[in-house]
Order: sequence, then C-alpha cells, then structure tokens
Amino acid sequence: QQQVKQSPQSLIVQKGGISIINCAYENTAFDYFPWYQQFPGKGPALLIAIRPDVSEKKEGRFTISFNKSAKQFSLHIMDSQPGDSATYFCAASMMDSSYKLIFGSGTRLLVRP
Amino acid sequence: NAGVTQTPKFRILKIGQSMTLQCTQDMNHNYMYWYRQDPGMGLKLIYYSVGAGITDKGEVPNGYNVSRSTTEDFPLRLELAAPSQTSVYFCASIKQGWGTEAFFGQGTRLTVV
Repeated sequence: QQQVKQSPQSLIVQKGGISIINCAYENTAFDYFPWYQQFPGKGPALLIAIRPDVSEKKEGRFTISFNKSAKQFSLHIMDSQPGDSATYFCAASMMDSSYKLIFGSGTRLLVRP
Repeated sequence: NAGVTQTPKFRILKIGQSMTLQCTQDMNHNYMYWYRQDPGMGLKLIYYSVGAGITDKGEVPNGYNVSRSTTEDFPLRLELAAPSQTSVYFCASIKQGWGTEAFFGQGTRLTVV
C-alpha cells in the first residue's frame, strides 16, 4: 500500500524529443505527488509537484499529468535537452504521515545531442 | 544560505566498525529524514524526526540509530557496519506544512569492506 512504482528504469531520447516517465501508486491517502531531479554526485532537488485534485500542472517544459481514478501520474519533458540528462524520481506523501516521501525506483534519462 | 549539510562526503569502513553520519540544516525546519539510495531501488527511509527530541523508524531502520537533540542536527549512527550498509545516504529536511519542498544534502557515499 505504501509503494510507488516507476517506469521505465532508463530512457534515451533525442534532443528536442519528448521524455515520458510514469508512476503508479496504491494508497489513496497520498495527497502530494512531487517529482525530484538528481544529477550525479548531488542530492535530489524538487522539480515540480501536484496535488490530487488537479489533473495537470505545467512549469516551463515540464508537465505532470495526474489520473486519480487510475492512481497514476506521469512526468512529460517537452523539447528535451542534454542538460535534462539526470535521474528522475516520482514520490508521494501524506500530510498525516509526517510528510514522509515514498519514492519510486527512479528513471535514468539520457538526452542525446 | 547553506541549506542541508552532510559530512563526510565519502567514507570506507571495515566490517564491525561504527561511525556517525552528520547532518545539519540552517533553515529551522522541524522535519528531518535519513534516506539510503541503492542502485535501481530509489530512496528508502531509514529514520525521521518531527522535532527536537522526537524520532521514529522508517522503512529500513535495522542497523541504524538516530538522535535529535537540536532543531538543526540529526546524526545517523551505524553501530556495527555490515556490507549491506554500503550505500549513498541522504539527509533531508522539510518545513512543516503540506506541499513544502524537501531539501536534500549532497549525500555521504559509504563503503563497508
């Protein structure tokens, strides 16, 4: 019930293409769904986040799509750039659970020039 | 503004040795967390704290201990190091409140040989 499943494990995209990473969750009590970006040798950093009463959130080239009935959410990176090459983690948390983040297993994205 | 600071950045331990991973934050955040990151496994919660003097176990607490004597500091103690504890450890903090960003340190890469 606490798991967040993420796919794919790795992704290679050409520069200018669209990168799509998918996540699924089981616990309907989750009320916050962030995406974190991690560069090698660094800690994860918040990229974008969504609440479950919103179906889509866009910030620049990054969009979260959220499907509450299917218990799925995804990250879309439009016009992918080599600088986007990083590991991406989806996560979920509950306000009533001390804001603990439950992370997916991560997706290593490589954007080829 | 330092954010979350972890020390050391790298460490090699022999089996059975003990050590303390240090974590300090200067943002006056109430909530602090320790995660470990293993390849392909995402980040797993070890311990967390909701304030000075209060700590609780996460998903993978065995072999670790924590303390929280001040708001700023949240050290993680390994008592009898085992090869299974070879990992990258991240400390994070959150200001209380729904949807607030988790700030991560740069990590400690620990190898147990």
